[in-house]
Amino acid sequence: GAVVSQHPSRVICKSGTSVKIECRSLDFQATTMFWYRQFPKQSLMLMATSNEGSKATYEQGVEKDKFLINHASLTLSTLTVTSAHPEDSSFYICSAKVYSNNEQFFGPGTRLTVL
Amino acid sequence: KQEVTQIPAALSVPEGENLVLNCSFTDSAIYNLQWFRQDPGKGLTSLLLIQSSQREQTSGRLNASLDKSSGRSTLYIAASQPGDSATYLCAVSPGGGADGLTFGKGTHLIIQP
Repeated sequence: GAVVSQHPSRVICKSGTSVKIECRSLDFQATTMFWYRQFPKQSLMLMATSNEGSKATYEQGVEKDKFLINHASLTLSTLTVTSAHPEDSSFYICSAKVYSNNEQFFGPGTRLTVL
Repeated sequence: KQEVTQIPAALSVPEGENLVLNCSFTDSAIYNLQWFRQDPGKGLTSLLLIQSSQREQTSGRLNASLDKSSGRSTLYIAASQPGDSATYLCAVSPGGGADGLTFGKGTHLIIQP
């Protein structure tokens, strides 16, 4: 299957700082990527849809000014958590969609801990 | 709003047993349904994808069925092995395939050696 990478895999930061997470499709081009968040013992919740060359579409309740998404190329989307607070601590996972069959492939996730 | 429910929430069985995981969704207007496996602290591994026009998909010891009209899918695991221990997630894509997936909370599976 298609391969999606994420970097970093784990990050610990102080409250008030910003953190950037990268999501890359390694062996295919992805016009659309998605960002999800998973809290402990919960399932994945869609945060936003990232479209190459256009603005991201955010789900209800997700602050677009806090979670900045940039999809500047067909293989890279970035999520920046601005002015992070402890309640932003979570597992962030991206996915990329293969257009041939609409299957989504997921990255390995990024564990964010805000102190 | 689409809701996905998975039953049971947890399951522990001896090695070698065949088992069935259940997934139901409230809005039958889906584009496709995917089953994933998630190991602790890890990302998701795609297991099977069923398009809305299909009834089932098979991969090795795994078989997934889809009854779109009744809003149900099952994942059948044959001859379970300890390495199958993980959380299994069911997710549906809305009609048109444009938006992200809606996930269930998963079934936490333990296969006892």
